[in-house]
Amino acid sequence: AQSVTQLDSQVPVFEEAPVELRCNYSSSVSVYLFWYVQYPNQGLQLLLKYLSGSTLVKGINGFEAEFNKSQTSFHLRKPSVHISDTAEYFCAVSGSSGKLIFGQGTELSVKP
Amino acid sequence: ETGVTQTPRHLVMGMTNKKSLKCEQHLGHNAMYWYKQSAKKPLELMFVYSLEERVENNSVPSRFSPECPNSSHLFLHLHTLQPEDSALYLCASSQDAGGSTKNIQYFGAGTRLSVL
Repeated sequence: AQSVTQLDSQVPVFEEAPVELRCNYSSSVSVYLFWYVQYPNQGLQLLLKYLSGSTLVKGINGFEAEFNKSQTSFHLRKPSVHISDTAEYFCAVSGSSGKLIFGQGTELSVKP
Repeated sequence: ETGVTQTPRHLVMGMTNKKSLKCEQHLGHNAMYWYKQSAKKPLELMFVYSLEERVENNSVPSRFSPECPNSSHLFLHLHTLQPEDSALYLCASSQDAGGSTKNIQYFGAGTRLSVL
C-alpha cells in the first residue's frame, strides 16, 4: 500500500529565508506526486505536480519540487519565502488505483 | 477560484437534524470526491463517483449519504450526526477517477461542519 510521510509537522522560518518541506513516499510502482497548499479557512490548492519527464517541477508562487526516485522523496522548496506563504502544505501520491494518499501536512509559519 | 464550488461554507447542526452539503464543478470533469478533514489527521477519502456511479465507499457510516445526480453536481446528505463528525468536508473533481495523468484533483473551499 502507498503511504506518504511529511517529516516535519511545523516549519518556522523568517521572511526572505529559503525553505524546504520534506516528503517521502512508499510505493513499489510508478507514482504521480503532488503538493497542495491550504490557506486558513480555505480548501486545497494545487501547487505543483510530477507526472513524468523532468524530475524538477516548478509550480505557482515560486515553489519547486524535485522527484528523487532512488530516495523516494519529493521535497518542496522555495528560495525566499513571504509572509503570505504562511499556510499548511500537503504532499500527496497516487498510483495505478487513482486513489490520492495524503501526508499529514506541514504547517509553514513565516515570521517577519 | 478552482472551478469547484461548495455550499454552504459553514454549517451548524444538531444531532437530530438533516442537512445536505452541495458541490458543483464547472471543469467538465467526470469524477467527483468527498473528503473529510479533521484536526491533526490526514485527509480521509469518503466517496468517489465516476460518471455518476459510486466507485468507492471507504467504510463511511450510513449517516452520511452521497448523491450524484449528474457529473457536475455532488451532494452529501447528513442525518443524526455525532459531535465527532465535526470537520471540514472537502469536495474535489478530476477528469477521470483512474490511475492516470487525468486524475489531477481540484478542490473546493470546503464546508466547515459543527455538530452540537
